[in-house]
Amino acid sequence: KQEVTQIPAALSVPEGENLVLNCSFTDSAIYNLQWFRQDPGKGLTSLLLIQSSQREQTSGRLNASLDKSSGRSTLYIAASQPGDSATYLCAVRGASGGSEKLVFGKGTKLTVNP
Amino acid sequence: GAGVSQTPSNKVTEKGKYVELRCDPISGHTALYWYRQSLGQGPEFLIYFQGTGAADDSGLPNDRFFAVRPEGSVSTLKIQRTERGDSAVYLCASSLAPGNGYTFGSGTRLTVV
Repeated sequence: KQEVTQIPAALSVPEGENLVLNCSFTDSAIYNLQWFRQDPGKGLTSLLLIQSSQREQTSGRLNASLDKSSGRSTLYIAASQPGDSATYLCAVRGASGGSEKLVFGKGTKLTVNP
Repeated sequence: GAGVSQTPSNKVTEKGKYVELRCDPISGHTALYWYRQSLGQGPEFLIYFQGTGAADDSGLPNDRFFAVRPEGSVSTLKIQRTERGDSAVYLCASSLAPGNGYTFGSGTRLTVV
C-alpha cells in the first residue's frame, strides 16, 4: 500500500527566504507525482506535475524534483512571499493496475512572514 | 463552466439523515473523482468515474456511500444514515482524460451533528 509522507508538517519563514518542502513515498512504481497548493477553506490548485520519466519541473519561482528510485520529491520555492502562505500537498499516482487514484500526504503548512 | 463547481459549499445535517453532494465538472472532462479530506489530513480517494461508469469505487468506506454520474457529466455523492465520523470536506475533481492533470472544486464541508 502506497504511503506518502511530507516533512516538515509546518514551516514558518521570513519573506524573501528560499525554502524546500520534502515528500517521500514508499512504492517507487508511480505514474506521476503532483504538488498542490491549498488555501484555507478552498480546494486544491495544481502547481506542478512530474511524470515518472522526468527529473524536474519548473514554473516561475517553483521547482519540483523527482527521484523515483529513492521515493523522494522536493518542492523548492525561491524568494518566498507572504502570498505563498498555504498548505502544500504532494500526491502520487500509482503505475500498477491502471489505477487513477492519487495518494496524498498530509501536507506542509507554510507561513511566510512579512 | 470555467471550473469544477460543487454544491452546497456547506451542509449541516443531523446524525442518521441522508445527504446528497453535487459536482459539476469542467465541460468535456470525461474523468471525475471524489475525495474526502478530514481535518489535518490529506485528501483520501473515494471513487473515480470514466464517463458514466464507476471505474474504481475501492475508496468508498462502506455501503452507506454511493455515487452516480448518469449522463457522464454531473455527479452526485450520496450518503445514507450519516454518522458524526462522516464530517469532512468532500472534494470533487475532473480531468480531460485519465492521466491528465486534475482540476479540483472548492469542496463541500459536511458537518454531521
